[in-house]
Amino acid sequence: DAEITQSPRHKITETGRQVTLACHQTWNHNNMFWYRQDLGHGLRLIHYSYGVQDTNKGEVSDGYSVSRSNTEDLPLTLESAASSQTSVYFCASSGRGQGIREQFFGPGTRLTVL
Amino acid sequence: AQTVTQSQPEMSVQEAETVTLSCTYDTSESDYYLFWYKQPPSRQMILVIRQEAYKQQNATENRFSVNFQKAAKSFSLKISDSQLGDAAMYFCAWRAGANSKLTFGKGITLSVRP
Repeated sequence: DAEITQSPRHKITETGRQVTLACHQTWNHNNMFWYRQDLGHGLRLIHYSYGVQDTNKGEVSDGYSVSRSNTEDLPLTLESAASSQTSVYFCASSGRGQGIREQFFGPGTRLTVL
Repeated sequence: AQTVTQSQPEMSVQEAETVTLSCTYDTSESDYYLFWYKQPPSRQMILVIRQEAYKQQNATENRFSVNFQKAAKSFSLKISDSQLGDAAMYFCAWRAGANSKLTFGKGITLSVRP
């Protein structure tokens, strides 16, 4: 069965360190997204990609970057981790074209920055 | 900018009773989609129900149904015959028809009393 996975599921890091969160989907979806979830804010869009070599900034992109070198993966990098980036991170993917194009979500990564 | 508002942070319902979760949105788009996602303690985001804005008929999925009031920009979720497994956080989300990005509300925590 097709799926979307994230790794690691939990991560503790220190302020100033570079951290990369992995996202891998086997749906063969063109669209991939990164969200962060914080209490009182719901899910907010960090970055997204509509295909290989395409990346776009979302609502809360400062301090984050992504790159898309293939269809399956969209890693999220925190260049210099800050305590404000302690959060739960979700990756999602969806297909291209008309219609409902439901987004499928990964299981999430809980990141703690000390 | 599009906004999704879930004004109630928490609700409680007696098992087997019916509960309605409210959601309003603000957009100038004419073509869009609306979604309700469930997030149980496992953190997994699960799509509960979806509605195309051009459809007048309210969507229904088993015990879950929506009351879509397009003119009022309201999209409430009704859960009938509530079960203990319905206890979760519920997010309302909006997406433009030609776009793929989701805009989420802040979520509501639903508890079910046995």
